Amino acid sequence: QVQLQESGPGLVKPSQTLSLTCSVSGGSISSSYYSWNWLRQPAGKGLEWIGRIYASGSTNYNPSLKSRVTISIDTSKNQFSLNLSSVTAGDTAVYYCARAAVGGPTYWGQGTLVTASS
Amino acid sequence: DIQMTQSPSSLSASVGDRVTISCRASQRIGSYLNWHQQKPGKPPKPLIYSVSGLQSGVPSRFSGSGSGTDFTLTISSLQPEDFATYYCQQSYDTPWTFGQGTKVEIK
Repeated sequence: QVQLQESGPGLVKPSQTLSLTCSVSGGSISSSYYSWNWLRQPAGKGLEWIGRIYASGSTNYNPSLKSRVTISIDTSKNQFSLNLSSVTAGDTAVYYCARAAVGGPTYWGQGTLVTASS
Repeated sequence: DIQMTQSPSSLSASVGDRVTISCRASQRIGSYLNWHQQKPGKPPKPLIYSVSGLQSGVPSRFSGSGSGTDFTLTISSLQPEDFATYYCQQSYDTPWTFGQGTKVEIK
């Protein structure tokens, strides 16, 4: 059974960079069939897709965040990561990592709350 | 971006009721329409992929239909564990986008 787990600081100061890592177990992140995704959900609101990466390193980002987002992958550690720069209070949300095939996300992490506050 | 619009935003229903949730895309998205269920404090759970494919382990009372721009999620007989928020999501093009959610509450 594939499992994903997000990790990283729960508090980030405004203007700083949010950094999260997703550790994958029960399956290889090197599979070319899947994409590895980051999504987020502000409290009480809907879901926003941030971007994705493939094992090849190819990425796609949401244009609304593209200038601030970097997603990377480390196949040796079976992990992928999210960096979001210049955070503001508007970036406060639960951040999820997820594995997806053609039919959208099928395995999600439990989510981690990141608060942007001084 | 492709806009996804769900209706209704919320509904009240009783156990045993048949429930239908609609989702409309701002452009044609082929079969790239998925449904997710989310309970408070939990990550979304995939229910339906590619309009009508049932994810592994999902009860058969859940079904999906539609084509083009209009899609439907149906719960044939609502069970106590089905009270949750449901989201449609398109994977036709990036950025993936979600509907605003439909909250199914107990009547």
